[in-house]
Amino acid sequence: QKEVEQNSGPLSVPEGAIASLNCTYSDRVSQSFFWYRQYSGKSPELIMSIYSNGDKEDGRFTAQLNKASQYVSLLIRDSQPSDSATYLCAVREANNLFFGTGTRLTVIP
Amino acid sequence: DTEVTQTPKHLVMGMTNKKSLKCEQHMGHRAMYWYKQKAKKPPELMFVYSYEKLSINESVPSRFSPECPNSSLLNLHLHALQPEDSALYLCASSQVGGGRFSEAFFGQGTRLTVV
Repeated sequence: QKEVEQNSGPLSVPEGAIASLNCTYSDRVSQSFFWYRQYSGKSPELIMSIYSNGDKEDGRFTAQLNKASQYVSLLIRDSQPSDSATYLCAVREANNLFFGTGTRLTVIP
Repeated sequence: DTEVTQTPKHLVMGMTNKKSLKCEQHMGHRAMYWYKQKAKKPPELMFVYSYEKLSINESVPSRFSPECPNSSLLNLHLHALQPEDSALYLCASSQVGGGRFSEAFFGQGTRLTVV
């Protein structure tokens, strides 16, 4: 069983600040990494995928991957109250997708 | 809007009932998944179908029975469930190409309560 670890939080940031979410994984073979956002009572929504080392930006979101350190992060710029949710890190191995426990983010107006 | 549709959205069933959860996707994906999620926990994989064939069964009790009638449809048949089986059941799908699986897209889930 692969291990995907996240700080469960809660992480609180003021509106307009940068939220930084971190994830580490145990398997060096893993090649695909994803961030999902999940609002309370709803299903996970894919917000970012990253496959190679470095940064990937999409709007206010930036994913960062460092395979040597087995570390993937998500930065949310100009955080909004609507960003308040649980963020799940997921690591793919073949046809399985392993999830971390999630980080609860609260953006304070 | 999600392109993975699950029905019903909510289901309450007794421990002697038989019910089915349904999932449909129209994205042309060839892998479909069932996950179970308890409150404040991450999704846990139950089953994976790849090209309509069951490729992963994560030691799920036999009271859960998956079925993949075609590449767009995935069912989960439920029988003799226990109250601890109450959870959010999530269906997902992903593309498969060159033996590699892409990102998974989730349906809105079925909230199941066993009484």
